[in-house]
Amino acid sequence: EAEVAQSPRYKITEKSQAVAFWCDPISGHATLYWYRQILGQGPELLVQFQDESVVDDSQLPKDRFSAERLKGVDSTLKIQPAELGDSAMYLCASSSDRVAGELFFGEGSRLTVL
Amino acid sequence: GENVEQHPSTLSVQEGDSAVIKCTYSDSASNYFPWYKQELGKGPQLIIDIRSNVGEKKDQRIAVTLNKTAKHFSLHITETQPEDSAVYFCAAPKNTGGFKTIFGAGTRLFVKA
Repeated sequence: EAEVAQSPRYKITEKSQAVAFWCDPISGHATLYWYRQILGQGPELLVQFQDESVVDDSQLPKDRFSAERLKGVDSTLKIQPAELGDSAMYLCASSSDRVAGELFFGEGSRLTVL
Repeated sequence: GENVEQHPSTLSVQEGDSAVIKCTYSDSASNYFPWYKQELGKGPQLIIDIRSNVGEKKDQRIAVTLNKTAKHFSLHITETQPEDSAVYFCAAPKNTGGFKTIFGAGTRLFVKA
């Protein structure tokens, strides 16, 4: 069964360092999402891509976060510099629908900033 | 903008009992209402969804009901089992040109054996 792949699963870093997360969506899925999930809360959308284009990054803290999906397939989310409040699970999801439909999530990348 | 409110935040039931989780949404244009289950250390996984042209959908022990007039939808789990213990999220779409899925805050369900 096709899955969304994410790496690394766990990342521990010190504040002010740079971190990067990688996501490979299900093959053929045009829409890719990065969500942040703080412990005990629901996922919050950071950025949404349709192919290689950003369609929503209204909640992405652009002073320190960046995301790209250069070839419209895999994607990278970067944080520089990391802050203590960035500690969270970073979830990648993909979907094939151009209308509202099922999101397929990866297992997430858990970030701890010390 | 779209707000999705979910309650209760925690629910504890005895094995075999039913569990009900409720969500309300604010955008009357929303037309797709999924429920996701998240187990410890994993990403959320869709368990059931409903579109706005129907009022109820069932899949074995799981059902979702939708009241578009009142803008709320509910997840019903019957004959609960210990493996149903997880965090459940409701969600609703917000049309932003594409579709942005807004999640509720989650309900942690404990099923006691």
